[in-house]
Amino acid sequence: GNSVTQMEGPVTLSEEAFLTINCTYTATGYPSLFWYVQYPGEGLQLLLKATKADDKGSNKGFEATYRKETTSFHLEKGSVQVSDSAVYFCALSDQGGKSGGSNYKLTFGKGTLLTVNP
Amino acid sequence: KAGVTQTPRYLIKTRGQQVTLSCSPISGHRSVSWYQQTPGQGLQFLFEYFSETQRNKGNFPGRFSGRQFSNSRSEMNVSTLELGDSALYLCASSPRTGGDEQFFGPGTRLTVL
Repeated sequence: GNSVTQMEGPVTLSEEAFLTINCTYTATGYPSLFWYVQYPGEGLQLLLKATKADDKGSNKGFEATYRKETTSFHLEKGSVQVSDSAVYFCALSDQGGKSGGSNYKLTFGKGTLLTVNP
Repeated sequence: KAGVTQTPRYLIKTRGQQVTLSCSPISGHRSVSWYQQTPGQGLQFLFEYFSETQRNKGNFPGRFSGRQFSNSRSEMNVSTLELGDSALYLCASSPRTGGDEQFFGPGTRLTVL
């Protein structure tokens, strides 16, 4: 079945450092890929997404590129802030984002805890 | 537009009891999905409902069930609670089934003693 593998955390960085969180996936078909973020005590928020190969998703300074040849969707940010401290989840959708799919669900990685120190 | 709301936010039960959790999706969203989040297993898909019909189900025992009402609100029920059911239960809504973007609620933290 489909699966997502994320680099294990925790990741601790100083403010303004460069961030990379690796994510690779196994899937049949052409899934959409997502990064979600979870702040303490809250639910998940969609950070960015990409729906086809070579698409780049970006939001709030975060970026990730859908690499079909390496089955990867690594998350990057050039300069992290203390407010970026959270758990980050990589995910893929079954059915490739097609509407009306009868088996649609999100498959998540285990999550990576990021702590940014001032 | 109000986000996804879940009630209650926290719940403590004992083994053998049953529990019902509620989720109100974003207005106009007709798809509701449920996920279980635990430190050991991470986020796991429970089921999805669309237009009052279960469209997809994850790999959970029959003790976990759900339903959706005509106003798209959804409930999930867990019967005969076990210690391992302690988790954060997240609900997510989407305008349509198979939609790429799901909007998550804050979750219900269930503790089974």
